[in-house]
Amino acid sequence: NAGVTQTPKFRVLKTGQSMTLLCAQDMNHEYMYWYRQDPGMGLRLIHYSVGEGTTAKGEVPDGYNVSRLKKQNFLLGLESAAPSQTSVYFCASSYVRDEQFFGPGTRLTVL
Amino acid sequence: KQEVTQIPAALSVPEGENLVLNCSFTDSAIYNLQWFRQDPGKGLTSLLLIQSSQREQTSGRLNASLDKSSGRSTLYIAASQPGDSATYLCAVRPSGTASKLTFGTGTRLQVTL
Repeated sequence: NAGVTQTPKFRVLKTGQSMTLLCAQDMNHEYMYWYRQDPGMGLRLIHYSVGEGTTAKGEVPDGYNVSRLKKQNFLLGLESAAPSQTSVYFCASSYVRDEQFFGPGTRLTVL
Repeated sequence: KQEVTQIPAALSVPEGENLVLNCSFTDSAIYNLQWFRQDPGKGLTSLLLIQSSQREQTSGRLNASLDKSSGRSTLYIAASQPGDSATYLCAVRPSGTASKLTFGTGTRLQVTL
């Protein structure tokens, strides 16, 4: 039982490049979330999903897109990366509104 | 808008001491509250989840309490150990249909030998 996994662990992008972060969970959770964590700002919700095929905006959705084609996977895309998107990205999942479980994070640097 | 505050931002205690971490929130209409720990460079590990109808939850040396009406939760750590050194975060989930958690900015705990 791996829990919540994220790939990649680290990535460096140049401004304007695109990339996709992958989150996978093996707990059969309905809800999945993408957060970013920045010093002094705490954790902020980017997008979330309440089930396969659904997505919704969180607090800071601009510049990001998401997809949930399979229940176990939640993808976060950056179409044109900007230095302001340098951050640590965390994926989480929960069975509806219960306990949230987090992945290990992806450290992204945009030059 | 829900705001979650954790004071102090940092705390240093000698090994063996009992300690209390505080979490306060502005909107008492919550569904549950969750405590996490985060080690440097790592993800968040769930410690305890308290439903809005509960007053406290215990796991080993940890005890979390919830006073919804006053907008407060405390995390009590008994007989602290150096391995407890980490940042502790609380997060509240609102009642109703909203799904997102609102996080505090955390208390960084150092337990010294």
